[in-house]
Amino acid sequence: QKEVEQNSGPLSVPEGAIASLNCTYSDRGSQSFFWYRQYSGKSPELIMSIYSNGDKEDGRFTAQLNKASQYVSLLIRDSQPSDSATYLCAVRERGSTLGRLYFGRGTQLTVWP
Amino acid sequence: SAVISQKPSRDICQRGTSLTIQCQVDSQVTMMFWYRQQPGQSLTLIATANQGSEATYESGFVIDKFPISRPNLTFSTLTVSNMSPEDSSIYLCSAVPGGSYEQYFGPGTRLTVT
Repeated sequence: QKEVEQNSGPLSVPEGAIASLNCTYSDRGSQSFFWYRQYSGKSPELIMSIYSNGDKEDGRFTAQLNKASQYVSLLIRDSQPSDSATYLCAVRERGSTLGRLYFGRGTQLTVWP
Repeated sequence: SAVISQKPSRDICQRGTSLTIQCQVDSQVTMMFWYRQQPGQSLTLIATANQGSEATYESGFVIDKFPISRPNLTFSTLTVSNMSPEDSSIYLCSAVPGGSYEQYFGPGTRLTVT
C-alpha cells in the first residue's frame, strides 16, 4: 500500500504571509508529484506538478521536491483569502507515466484578512 | 489540460436502484479514472478504465456493484448498482489528456441515497 502523508491542519495564516504545505510519501521509486487545490463543494484542480528534485515556481506557488528525503512541499507566497481551500498532495504510481495517483488526506488552509 | 464534464451533477436516488454517471472528455485520452470522495475525506480510486479493455478495480470495489463502460477514447460511464445509503458520496471522473502526464478532474456527481 503506497502511502502519502500530509499534515491535516487546519493551517491558518494571515493575508500576505507564506503558507507552507508538506507531504511525505512511502515509495522511494515514485517519480511524479502533484498538488491539487479543492474548494469546498468543488472538484480538485491541478495547480502544480513536479518531476525533478529542486524547486519549481509558477506565480505565487513553488513546489519543492526532495526524492532522497521522500518529501514534497508547496509554498504559497503572498497568501490571499481566495487561497483558502484544501490542498491535496498526489503521487503517481511508480513505473507509470499515465497511471493512478495516490492521494494524501489533504491540508485545509485558511487565509484570514 | 482537458475539459471534463459529468452528468448528472447531482441526484437523489432510492435504495435498491441504480444510477449511471456519464463522463465526457473534450479530447482523446488513454486512461480514465473513477474516484469516490466521502464528505471531508480524500479521494478513493474505484477503478481505472482503459479503452478497449476491462476496467481494473481497486480493492474493495467490484464490477457487479460498479460496472464501468469505456466505449471510446472520450467517454466512460460508471454505474452504481443496488444502491444503499452508504453509497452516498461524490463520484469523480478524471483523465490524463494525450501528450500530458497530468490528471484532470471532472466537476463530480453528488449522489444521495435515501
